[in-house]
Amino acid sequence: SQQGEEDPQALSIQEGENATMNCSYKTSINNLQWYRQNSGRGLVHLILIRSNEREKHSGRLRVTLDTSKKSSSLLITASRAADTASYFCATDLYSGGGADGLTFGKGTHLIIQP
Amino acid sequence: DGGITQSPKYLFRKEGQNVTLSCEQNLNHDAMYWYRQDPGQGLRLIYYSQIVNDFQKGDIAEGYSVSREKKESFPLTVTSAQKNPTAFYLCASRGQIYTGELFFGEGSRLTVL
Repeated sequence: SQQGEEDPQALSIQEGENATMNCSYKTSINNLQWYRQNSGRGLVHLILIRSNEREKHSGRLRVTLDTSKKSSSLLITASRAADTASYFCATDLYSGGGADGLTFGKGTHLIIQP
Repeated sequence: DGGITQSPKYLFRKEGQNVTLSCEQNLNHDAMYWYRQDPGQGLRLIYYSQIVNDFQKGDIAEGYSVSREKKESFPLTVTSAQKNPTAFYLCASRGQIYTGELFFGEGSRLTVL
């Protein structure tokens, strides 16, 4: 079952601009994570935000979480060509019992134009 | 370097054949996971294991099997019962079950001829 859904599905911007992508999810979460995937490669963890946090920063990344709306956003500032990749949000299945593992959305494909 | 190694990177299979994908980690993580990725579908969980000699089905376990005889290793067998096995397979591990970040391998691309 798909828990997270990213929006937009694809995004193309000029180098130096900021990129914002959104994620919505359906059920209560312990935390929400963002990953990056370069074409044909494995995923790389970017940032984790816990359910009791509202905002988190890591370098050029800023993540927000609104549990009342069941949504999160990832902002990449001052984009670079190397940021071209697919970005996925993921939520933990665990909610006091049951299955382990992360549920991933379908991703946002980000293209940075030089 | 610590990490996860998947092999082979590319694999071709004839219909009716079983194939086994290797996943080895030297991160000393207890939990390991197998995901399948299809174009436009995101990642879907096949199997996971939280401890040696134990594993659980994920969302799409039918047609797959796994074993966890060693902490470092979590091989995935794609059996002939899997109706549409052509996909990109990703192995991952994490040190904190239920809540931690996942560390991924580079993936194995399986193509059925």
